[in-house]
Amino acid sequence: NAGVTQTPKFQVLKTGQSMTLQCAQDMNHEYMSWYRQDPGMGLRLIHYSVGAGITDQGEVPNGYNVSRSTTEDFPLRLLSAAPSQTSVYFCASSRTGESGYTFGSGTRLTVV
Amino acid sequence: AQSVTQLDSQVPVFEEAPVELRCNYSSSVSVYLFWYVQYPNQGLQLLLKYLSGSTLVESINGFEAEFNKSQTSFHLRKPSVHISDTAEYFCAVSWGGSQGNLIFGKGTKLSVKP
Repeated sequence: NAGVTQTPKFQVLKTGQSMTLQCAQDMNHEYMSWYRQDPGMGLRLIHYSVGAGITDQGEVPNGYNVSRSTTEDFPLRLLSAAPSQTSVYFCASSRTGESGYTFGSGTRLTVV
Repeated sequence: AQSVTQLDSQVPVFEEAPVELRCNYSSSVSVYLFWYVQYPNQGLQLLLKYLSGSTLVESINGFEAEFNKSQTSFHLRKPSVHISDTAEYFCAVSWGGSQGNLIFGKGTKLSVKP
């Protein structure tokens, strides 16, 4: 049981490049979310999903896309990276909204 | 928009002293409340949660939090802290039941000194 797996752990992008941050969970959780963590800002919700085929925007969705084709996977896409997207990104999953989220170990992204 | 406010960004305390980390949120309508802890260079771990019932909830490592509906608060307390409690603590709220959109406060860095 691996929990929530995020890849890659570190990434450096040039401005304008695109990439996908991967997130997979093996706990059959319906709920999955993406957060970014910046110093002094806490965690801010980017996008979330309450089941396969269902996604919704969080607090800071601009510049990011998501899809949820399977229960297990919830990738986060940056279409055209900007320096303002330099951050640590966390994926999390939960069986229900009451369970509390299990977090991955994070992806540290730097956009230069 | 709903919001979560952690009133202190940093809290320094001496070992074995009591501590309270404060959390307020914008509306008490049908909320689920959580505290998470993040140790240096790690992800977040669930510390405790309030869904319904008794307003006082406890964690396995001595922390407790009390839901106060009238003051829209969910403060975290520990009567005697240890060096190992040094970490960042985040309050999080989900409004409207199981909607999936869990909103975090900005965090409080607890520093326990010997």
